[in-house]
Amino acid sequence: SQKIEQNSEALNIQEGKTATLTCNYTNYSPAYLQWYRQDPGRGPVFLLLIRENEKEKRKERLKVTFDTTLKQSLFHITASQPADSATYLCALPPPGSGAGSYQLTFGKGTKLSVIP
Amino acid sequence: NAGVTQTPKFQVLKTGQSMTLQCAQDMNHNSMYWYRQDPGMGLRLIYYSASEGTTDKGEVPNGYNVSRLNKREFSLRLESAAPSQTSVYFCASRLTGSGEQFFGPGTRLTVL
Repeated sequence: SQKIEQNSEALNIQEGKTATLTCNYTNYSPAYLQWYRQDPGRGPVFLLLIRENEKEKRKERLKVTFDTTLKQSLFHITASQPADSATYLCALPPPGSGAGSYQLTFGKGTKLSVIP
Repeated sequence: NAGVTQTPKFQVLKTGQSMTLQCAQDMNHNSMYWYRQDPGMGLRLIYYSASEGTTDKGEVPNGYNVSRLNKREFSLRLESAAPSQTSVYFCASRLTGSGEQFFGPGTRLTVL
């Protein structure tokens, strides 16, 4: 069955450094992968989607890579700020679904703390 | 636009009581979802509705029922609440053709 692993429950980083979060998955090849941000007491907020034929995607200080051979996505926040402190979730469509899948399976998240 | 709204924000139930969690979206989205989020378990899909008039089970549907009342509204019902249903419940919606889901603020439910 599908398995998603975000390999750090928590990550502490100094302000100004680049934070790198990892999402690994097993047993299939998803058509795309998404990253969300969740603040305490709030619902997740969509950040980026990267498709299987894209190696890298950027949005402002965010960069996502998608390595379908390693079955891994890396999420980078450059020049990190205390306001970037949150839990970051990766999400994938379930096995056997295509690019139009209605469903997502979420990882358990990585809690990022940016220390001033 | 209010986006996705959920009521109530908090609720305490006794074992065996029933209740309905309400969700509405004003973005004209076709698909709607109910998730629960528990410590150490992440977000898990309970039910979803790909379009008005259809509903399907997700990963953890037992103990729940849903109704897609119209395009805007998708409710989640607990017929006989159990302590194992203590959780934070999120509703989400998605526009067909777009991958991203938009989440509501959540309902924190405690079953005693």
